[in-house]
Amino acid sequence: EIVLTQSPATLSLSPGERATLSCGTSQSVSGSYLAWYQQKPGLAPRLLIYDASSRATGIPDRFSGSGSGTDFTLTISRLEPEDFAMYYCQQYGSSPFTFGPGTKVDIK
Amino acid sequence: QVQLVQSGAEVKQPGASVKVSCKASGFTFTSYAIHWVRQAPGQRLEWMGWINPDNGNTKYSQNFQGRVTITRDTSASTAYLELSSLRSEDTAIYYCARDSSVVVVIGAFDIWGQGTMVTVSS
Repeated sequence: EIVLTQSPATLSLSPGERATLSCGTSQSVSGSYLAWYQQKPGLAPRLLIYDASSRATGIPDRFSGSGSGTDFTLTISRLEPEDFAMYYCQQYGSSPFTFGPGTKVDIK
Repeated sequence: QVQLVQSGAEVKQPGASVKVSCKASGFTFTSYAIHWVRQAPGQRLEWMGWINPDNGNTKYSQNFQGRVTITRDTSASTAYLELSSLRSEDTAIYYCARDSSVVVVIGAFDIWGQGTMVTVSS
C-alpha cells in the first residue's frame, strides 16, 4: 500500500497570498495518477486536480498541480476567501487507492 | 444536474450490518464506476471499493477483510454499500463517488454524494 504524507499540516496565510502544498508518496506513483481535493466543513470533497496537473471541470486557473514520481505540489496562486479549507492528495496508480492526511489552509 | 444522493444517517449496534444507498441522476449510471470512501472522525479519507454498474464487477480494499459488499440496481440507478460485523471504529461518514473516467476505472472521483453518517454504538 502506498502511504501519502502532506506538509505542512497547517498553512496560515492571508487572502491574496500564494499557497504551496506538498504531497509525498512512499513509492513512485505510476502514470502520475495523483489527485487533489478540497474539503470544507460539513461537505464532501471536491476534485481540483487529477493526473497530477490537469484541472477538473470548473476549477479556477489559480489552482495548479505539478510533480511526478514521489513528490507532488498543489499551488494556489492568489488565495481567495473561499479557498480556506482542507486539502487532500490521493494516489490512484495502484490499489488500494490512498489519501494523505490533509493540509489545512486557514486565515492568518 | 449530475448528482449522487445518499440515504440517511444510521445508528447500529456492534456486530450488526449496515446498508447505505447512493442514487445517481443526471448521467448514464452504467457508464461510470461508483466508489465508496469513508472518513472517520479525525482520520484521513479511506477508499473501500468500487463497482462497475454495467456488469456488476467489483473490487474491494483488502483493509476490510471481506466485511464489505458493493452491489447495484441498474433499474433504480442506485449503488449500495453493505458493511458487516460493525465495530466502534467503523463510525464514520460514508461517501459514494463517481469515477472521473467513462467506462474505464481510473480511481479519481469527480462527483461525490453528500455523505451518510454511520454511528456504531451499544
